[in-house]
Amino acid sequence: DGGITQSPKYLFRKEGQNVTLSCEQNLNHDAMYWYRQDPGQGLRLIYYSQIVNDFQKGDIAEGYSVSREKKESFPLTVTSAQKNPTAFYLCASSIVAGGATGANVLTFGAGSRLTVL
Amino acid sequence: KQEVTQIPAALSVPEGENLVLNCSFTDSAIYNLQWFRQDPGKGLTSLLLIQSSQREQTSGRLNASLDKSSGRSTLYIAASQPGDSATYLCAVRPSSGGYNKLIFGAGTRLAVHP
Repeated sequence: DGGITQSPKYLFRKEGQNVTLSCEQNLNHDAMYWYRQDPGQGLRLIYYSQIVNDFQKGDIAEGYSVSREKKESFPLTVTSAQKNPTAFYLCASSIVAGGATGANVLTFGAGSRLTVL
Repeated sequence: KQEVTQIPAALSVPEGENLVLNCSFTDSAIYNLQWFRQDPGKGLTSLLLIQSSQREQTSGRLNASLDKSSGRSTLYIAASQPGDSATYLCAVRPSSGGYNKLIFGAGTRLAVHP
């Protein structure tokens, strides 16, 4: 079955450590996204990528980094510069990014919960 | 700046009740609006997508309407069931600002009790 796989599901980080969240999709989608979800708030966009080897900052990119070396993969690194990284992280993909068509409907992974100790 | 608000934040209803979830947005310049469902600790599942030129979309017991000029959308759930218990989020895709992204509301947490 096609879908998005995020790993790990739960991750604990000590202060000062970098951690990387994995996101893999087998939907052949061009666009991929990373969102952060905090309790009582809507999802906020961290980074997105419209195509391989290209990515753009979202609203809250500070303290995060990404790469898009393969179409299927869009890993997110939470660096030590991110001062409040405890949150639920969601990866998503769509056939294309943006625009008015239904091809930008997002498919989400199951999420990764990061806790800073 | 586009903002999306969902009211109420939480709702508890008995099984079988028809209910309405509300979503409002501040800028009518949107391509479309989506409703999602999120189960606890899980990702989001797309329920309905309404294009800006459409007034409503239906899927089974779900009906979503869009009034772009007033900045409002409603999600109507008919004959609610305990399995409908989840958080429901709406999101708009702005058509201005040169930024292709979804703007999410904080969600309505729904509990349907037997």
